[in-house]
Amino acid sequence: GNSVTQMEGPVTLSEEAFLTINCTYTATGYPSLFWYVQYPGEGLQLLLKATKADDKGSNKGFEATYRKETTSFHLEKGSVQVSDSAVYFCALSDRYGGSQGNLIFGKGTKLSVKP
Amino acid sequence: GAGVSQSPSNKVTEKGKDVELRCDPISGHTALYWYRQSLGQGLEFLIYFQGNSAPDKSGLPSDRFSAERTGGSVSTLTIQRTQQEDSAVYLCASSLGRIAQETQYFGPGTRLLVL
Repeated sequence: GNSVTQMEGPVTLSEEAFLTINCTYTATGYPSLFWYVQYPGEGLQLLLKATKADDKGSNKGFEATYRKETTSFHLEKGSVQVSDSAVYFCALSDRYGGSQGNLIFGKGTKLSVKP
Repeated sequence: GAGVSQSPSNKVTEKGKDVELRCDPISGHTALYWYRQSLGQGLEFLIYFQGNSAPDKSGLPSDRFSAERTGGSVSTLTIQRTQQEDSAVYLCASSLGRIAQETQYFGPGTRLLVL
């Protein structure tokens, strides 16, 4: 079946540090890949997405590249800010089968950025 | 424009009581999803609606859970005879259609606590 594995948190960084949150997936079809973010007290919102191999999604300084050969979609940011403190979820949505369109999420990684 | 809204934002109930959770999707979005976010299980898919029909109910955990959608818009998730393990945040999301590449927009969730 389809699944998403992302690195366990929490992750604590100092402001301006480099961020990587690893995400790997297993899919029977050819999925689209997403990073969603949940800021404290807020709902889930899309951070970025990629729908085919080698696509790079980017938003707010965050980037992730769809790597089919390594089944990965790692999230990176060159210089984090305190305002980036949140829980980050990697997710996939398969293109085929009865569950196409349903999001399958990783467990989430809590990021805390200290000034 | 208006996003996805959910009500109530918080619900405390006693074990054995029934609860109804409401979702108002973004206008024009034909696809509507319910997910559950709990500490033990993470984010899980519950049910999907296309218009007023629910072709995918595969994530509903038991027959105590049911949902309906009317007018291709508002959806209600009903939990009968609530149990303590039903305590979670129930999230609703909508999208233009049920395809893998489509972004799902999430509501703020209903936090359910079963005492």
